[in-house]
Amino acid sequence: DAGVTQSPTHLIKTRGQQVTLRCSPKSGHDTVSWYQQALGQGPQFIFQYYEEEERQRGNFPDRFSGHQFPNYSSELNVNALLLGDSALYLCASSLVRAGGVIGETQYFGPGTRLLVL
Amino acid sequence: AQKVTQAQTEISVVEKEDVTLDCVYETRDTTYYLFWYKQPPSGELVFLIRRNSFDEQNEISGRYSWNFQKSTSSFNFTITASQVVDSAVYFCALSDYAGGTSYGKLTFGQGTILTVHP
Repeated sequence: DAGVTQSPTHLIKTRGQQVTLRCSPKSGHDTVSWYQQALGQGPQFIFQYYEEEERQRGNFPDRFSGHQFPNYSSELNVNALLLGDSALYLCASSLVRAGGVIGETQYFGPGTRLLVL
Repeated sequence: AQKVTQAQTEISVVEKEDVTLDCVYETRDTTYYLFWYKQPPSGELVFLIRRNSFDEQNEISGRYSWNFQKSTSSFNFTITASQVVDSAVYFCALSDYAGGTSYGKLTFGQGTILTVHP
């Protein structure tokens, strides 16, 4: 049973560049959530995708955008990178139950460590 | 708004000692989920346990036990006879119950760094 996978594992970018991170959900899951974890902090919710649409968004600027594909995999895009975007980006997947609500625990991938210079 | 507080920033113990990690939460929801996740140095968040707000029965699973007290909004986690492999950052998290409007968005505490020395 494949767990949540993310790529790449590490990434170094410079200010102003754009980055795309990828996530494949756990087998059988259909919902993907993205979190940003700064060093020494707890993860912060960025947004969640279900049925290829952004369903909920945290307090992140429009520079952060995403996409979900028909196979439930997802991408996180960050434009105009800032030094403060350096963090571990975590993807979590879960399964929506009847009624469109989360009924299962979110399982996390290993994360992508982004360093912006 | 939901909030999770883990007052203990770092805990250091010697192997075989028992250790309790504290978690206090705030929510206006009447039903919700509480979680504990473990984050080893590799970075991946490992799910440990989920409790529903309407189920206050405490549980023991191997060396792990949980104490959920709705009256004090606390969800503490205890490791009995700690081992070096338990060294990690432990996060308490909160989400609304199925049917809520946040679709299960997790709100995390700041984490507690646990170091178990041999």
